[in-house]
This record gives sequence, C-alpha cells and structure tokens, in this order.
Amino acid sequence: GESVGLHLPTLSVQEGDNSIINCAYSNSASDYFIWYKQESGKGPQFIIDIRSNMDKRQGQRVTVLLNKTVKHLSLQIAATQPGDSAVYFCAETPGGYQKVTFGIGTKLQVIP
Amino acid sequence: EAQVTQNPRYLITVTGKKLTVTCSQNMNHEYMSWYRQDPGLGLRQIYYSMNVEVTDKGDVPEGYKVSRKEKRNFPLILESPSPNQTSLYFCASSLFAPGTGGVGYGYTFGSGTRLTVV
Repeated sequence: GESVGLHLPTLSVQEGDNSIINCAYSNSASDYFIWYKQESGKGPQFIIDIRSNMDKRQGQRVTVLLNKTVKHLSLQIAATQPGDSAVYFCAETPGGYQKVTFGIGTKLQVIP
Repeated sequence: EAQVTQNPRYLITVTGKKLTVTCSQNMNHEYMSWYRQDPGLGLRQIYYSMNVEVTDKGDVPEGYKVSRKEKRNFPLILESPSPNQTSLYFCASSLFAPGTGGVGYGYTFGSGTRLTVV
C-alpha cells in the first residue's frame, strides 16, 4: 500500500542501468529464499526463488545470487525500467512447513 | 484467472466489534497464509494452513483466529479488534508449503485489506 514505502532503504537507479538489491538473512537453517515485488497499492508479486543448494538462478531480466557463507542474497535487475519501481522484499524459510520470514524491503526508484 | 480474492479491500470498525476478512483462491493450492504489513516491520505471518483442517500460528497470532473448512477458503477472524490491529492484511496461497516443492512455487498474494480499528 501507499504507506509501505516509508522508512525503507531506497535505491535510485537510472533507467537502463542495472539494479542490485541486497538482503542479509540471519537464519543459517534457511533453505529456500524468495524475492517479491510490491507496487503501490498492490499485493506482493513473486519474482524468483532459489534453494540453498544453488548459488545463482536466472529469470527474465532478473538474477538471484546466494552466498551462504555470509548469509547474503541479492537480486539483480538488468536494464531497469520505470515499471520496475516498487518495493522489493526478500523472504527466507527453512522449509518443511516452517514459517516464512520477510525482510523489511528496499524501495527501488527508477529515474527516467 | 488464477487469483487470491480478499474482501473487503477497506474496512473501518470500532474496538470490540467482531469482524471477518474473507480469502478465497481458485488454484487448488494446499498452503494458505495470512500476513499483516506495517511500515518499518515488513510482512509478518499471522497464521498459516497446510491443508483443510490443518492450521498453525505464525509470528503474531494473538487476537486472530482462522479456519480452513474448505481448501479454497481461509477466513481471518478478529473476535474483538483493537486499535493495534490497524494494519494492511494480505492473504497468500501456494501450491506447496514454501520450500517443499522445489523452485518456482512462490506465493500468490491477494490485493490486501486495509483495516482501521478506532
């Protein structure tokens, strides 16, 4: 919603440049990681996911990188477009019907 | 169209007046969950359900109830709402519980319910 973007880390990127959004996770038992995109006034939308036995996974214009050693996850968006402006959340879970924990999000602003 | 439908989108109510937020999905998903979203706190899980008649608490279950009598419906019940339950609520579903079905099975979220308790 419209208030979700307040108080969030913000990344400003020029249109056409690549964006990198970072996420640190805390649970070393987490086995599955997901990135979601939330546009103003809408529910989060699934972008891409990755399991702990992978280092990298690619989708359309997006790549997720996982570094388990330092518990770090990143989302790379190639050739950022104005439609990519949104709040991006990472989420983690150990799987096996255990809870899913979301980060607070990063606001991506694309400068035309 | 595959979707998660929540109702209502907006609700203003008074303290103590019982309310129900409905959630329905048409994708035959096994797993459903409720989240609340507050500025600076991200999405926090309230309750989740692995299948019909199987539910469990998330991070912030106090003051909420759920039921899963049918696979497609997962209503959120506030028996006695209080102002600290003012929030943006999302229902979500997935074919499998997150992390149990390989990759590519993320949540489908509803459009949200903005609840204000005065």
